[in-house]
Amino acid sequence: DQQVKQNSPSLSVQEGRISILNCDYTNSMFDYFLWYKKYPAEGPTFLISISSIKDKNEDGRFTVFLNKSAKHLSLHIVPSQPGDSAVYFCAARTVYGGSQGNLIFGKGTKLSVKP
Amino acid sequence: DAGVIQSPRHEVTEMGQEVTLRCKPISGHNSLFWYRQTMMRGLELLIYFNNNVPIDDSGMPEDRFSAKMPNASFSTLKIQPSEPRDSAVYFCASSTGNSGNTIYFGEGSWLTVV
Repeated sequence: DQQVKQNSPSLSVQEGRISILNCDYTNSMFDYFLWYKKYPAEGPTFLISISSIKDKNEDGRFTVFLNKSAKHLSLHIVPSQPGDSAVYFCAARTVYGGSQGNLIFGKGTKLSVKP
Repeated sequence: DAGVIQSPRHEVTEMGQEVTLRCKPISGHNSLFWYRQTMMRGLELLIYFNNNVPIDDSGMPEDRFSAKMPNASFSTLKIQPSEPRDSAVYFCASSTGNSGNTIYFGEGSWLTVV
């Protein structure tokens, strides 16, 4: 059973517009959430994260929103650029026993930003 | 600083052969992860180590898969015997192991079993 779900396998957006990527989770023990970006033939790279004690984290054009009651988070990219075209993975983690838990990933959403 | 280094980058092998994937984590990182990416299942964790000790191997699909971390700077993922359904991209990742820190991925090993 998937604990982290990205229900949209793909998204197409016009350059300059906002891209919104969504992610849902089922495990209420998750306390840290991350977004990774992956280009073809490369490993995923960290983009932005948010702790469960916050509802928003912003870094330049990227903002992550967390709605704990709905177990939902989203990544907003504004304005979108063609170089943002990639697969975006949502990930979540629990921390237990004082050590870092592993990351549980969604299946990813392929974003295409058209010039 | 060098990132996570994986080898080989690409491997094509025949069914039944042994496959060994290698990983060198970022120096100073004490947690190491092996992930597998497929179209059907996305990125799934196979096993992770903390201070060279396997912590969770519940993601290892079968006894044909094994992983070792003999020291802080080296890990292997072995498949013996390999099967066509093992074809995937295998990623190694590492982190400092502290709460709130991200993990850093290597570029992956692309495995094709024919």
